[in-house]
Amino acid sequence: GAVVSQHPSRVICKSGTSVKIECRSLDFQATTMFWYRQFPKQSLMLMATSNEGSKATYEQGVEKDKFLINHASLTLSTLTVTSAHPEDSSFYICSAPPTSGTREQYFGPGTRLTVT
Amino acid sequence: EDQVTQSPEALRLQEGESSSLNCSYTVSGLRGLFWYRQDPGKGPEFLFTLYSAGEEKEKERLKATLTKKESFLHITAPKPEDSATYLCAVSVPQGGSEKLVFGKGTKLTVNP
Repeated sequence: GAVVSQHPSRVICKSGTSVKIECRSLDFQATTMFWYRQFPKQSLMLMATSNEGSKATYEQGVEKDKFLINHASLTLSTLTVTSAHPEDSSFYICSAPPTSGTREQYFGPGTRLTVT
Repeated sequence: EDQVTQSPEALRLQEGESSSLNCSYTVSGLRGLFWYRQDPGKGPEFLFTLYSAGEEKEKERLKATLTKKESFLHITAPKPEDSATYLCAVSVPQGGSEKLVFGKGTKLTVNP
C-alpha cells in the first residue's frame, strides 16, 4: 500500500519552455502532497505544500509564479515549471502522507528534469 | 533555524561489518524523526519513525534509536544490497501544519 507515482521519470526540455510533472497517489487519497527538489549530493529541499482544492503554500525563496502547483483531485497534484532555465535542472520528488493526520510521508520515484 | 546533520557523509563497510550512522538535530519542536533509504535516481523509501527519546525500532538488519539530540541507525551484519544513501528527517511545526527537514544523507557502500 501507500504507493505514489510520478510522470514522467525523465524529461529534457529547451530553455524557455514549460514542463508539467504529475504526482499521483495510487491506493489512497491525499488531501496534502509535498513537492521537493534535490540537487546532487544535497538534501531534499521542500518547495511547496499542495492542498487539494486550495492554493499551494510555497517555501521561502521559491517563486510561486515559476513553479505552478495544482491539486485538483484527491489523487493528483501537478507541478509546472514555467519558462525553464538550466538552473532549474534538478530531481523533483513528490510525497504524501498515506493517511490524513499521519506524519510519515511516502515518496514518488522522482522526475529528473534537464533544461538545455 | 531547524537543522539536521548526518555523519559520516560516506561509509564503506565489508559485508558483515556492523556500524552505525548518526543524525543530530537542532529543532524548535520535534514532532517526529524519520529514516529513509534512497537508491540512486529513486525517491526515498520509508524505514522508521521515532517520536520520543528512548524509542527504538527494528527492521531486518536495521535498528533506529532516538535520544533528545540525535538518532542512530545501527546496521548489523550488512549485505551488499544494503548499499544506499540513508536519509534522516525531522518533522517540525510550520504555521498550522508541519514539514520535513532533511539531512544530506550518509552514502553507505557494503562490499562483498
